[in-house]
Formats: sequence, C-alpha cells, structure tokens
Amino acid sequence: DTAVSQTPKYLVTQMGNDKSIKCEQNLGHDTMYWYKQDSKKFLKIMFSYNNKELIINETVPNRFSPKSPDKAHLNLHINSLELGDSAVYFCASSQSGALSYEQYFGPGTRLTVT
Amino acid sequence: TQLLEQSPQFLSIQEGENLTVYCNSSSVFSSLQWYRQEPGEGPVLLVTVVTGGEVKKLKRLTFQFGDARKDSSLHITAAQPGDTGLYLCAGFTSGTYKYIFGTGTRLKVLA
Repeated sequence: DTAVSQTPKYLVTQMGNDKSIKCEQNLGHDTMYWYKQDSKKFLKIMFSYNNKELIINETVPNRFSPKSPDKAHLNLHINSLELGDSAVYFCASSQSGALSYEQYFGPGTRLTVT
Repeated sequence: TQLLEQSPQFLSIQEGENLTVYCNSSSVFSSLQWYRQEPGEGPVLLVTVVTGGEVKKLKRLTFQFGDARKDSSLHITAAQPGDTGLYLCAGFTSGTYKYIFGTGTRLKVLA
C-alpha cells in the first residue's frame, strides 16, 4: 500500500495554463505539506496544513493555492503557470504539526512548463 | 535568511571507504533530521536528533548533532553501492516555526 501518493507523476504544460496536483495519504496523519525541489535539488517547504487548516504559508506567489478537502488530501492548484514553476513538487505528511516529527514523502510530481 | 550548508556537494568514493558529510548553519535548531533521496523518489527520513551532542547510530551510519545545535554530521563506515543517493539535512527552529533543508550532498559509491 502506498503511504503518500501523488498524481500525476509527470505534468507537461504551457505557460499561462492552470493545473492541479493531487496528494493523498493513508497513514492517518494530521498534517500534510507541499515542497518544491528545484533543478539543483534544493528542497523548500511551501505550505503545511494541519487538520485542514493552513499553518505554514511560506513566501510563494499567490498563483499557488493549496486546498485540503479533508485531512487525508492536500491538493495544489497553480494558476497562470510560468517557466520558473518547472520543478519537482513533493507532498508529505506527518503525525503531528510539529515539523520535528517524521515526514513521509510522496514520489513527487515533475512539472515542466514550456 | 536561514541557511543550512552541506559539504561536500558531491562525493564519489569506492566501496568500502568511509566518508563524512557535514551540515552547518549559523542558526540554532530545535531538531535536525537527515534524509536520503534516490532518483525519482521522495526523501526518506534516516534519523532525527534533538539534543546537543547527541550521537545516533543506524547500522553503518553515525549521526551527530553539534553541542550548540547549529551543525550536524553523518558518517558512513564501509560505504556500499546501496548508499548512493542524495543526502539532505533539515532543521527546525521552534521559535520561528521554520523548517529548512540543506543544500544536499550527492554521494556515489562505486563497486
């Protein structure tokens, strides 16, 4: 059974389009995260939700909007995609909102904006 | 801006050799974690250290948290090809509620 799953695995789209990435975890965790990993493999936290409530919102363009319909799902919607949005996006979850807790990462979604 | 600098950036060694990866910052962390990431996959947590001076061992891997909780090291004994991957440290500061990843160390162990 996959603990944290993301869809799609690969996403190729043109500038200006709107796209969504979905994430689901079946671990019963309360907290979910979105991370962005750039071409140099630098990983940066974008958002964190605890029980459907936003608790971390790092400085990211407001074109990025997370949505958590329930605590097992955290989707990422991106409006007006730009070339610089190309990266691998990882979803993660943890048992608690404390970031020191073990985080389980999904396999990533490679977004390519052309 | 908080930074976690890892060194070396790249490391290519022969099977059986020992190596150490460093993770340094000017910030104090409440806890620090080490992850390993393989191509096409997400990072997998290896260890969490929370106490200054703490040493944890995971088979051939030894992790140490600096006394001042600003730095950490990962030592691998008798490296194997299966150790190949991207090693990332990540630190949490409870005061500012920030979680940042290090710059990463790409390790390649040759058979």
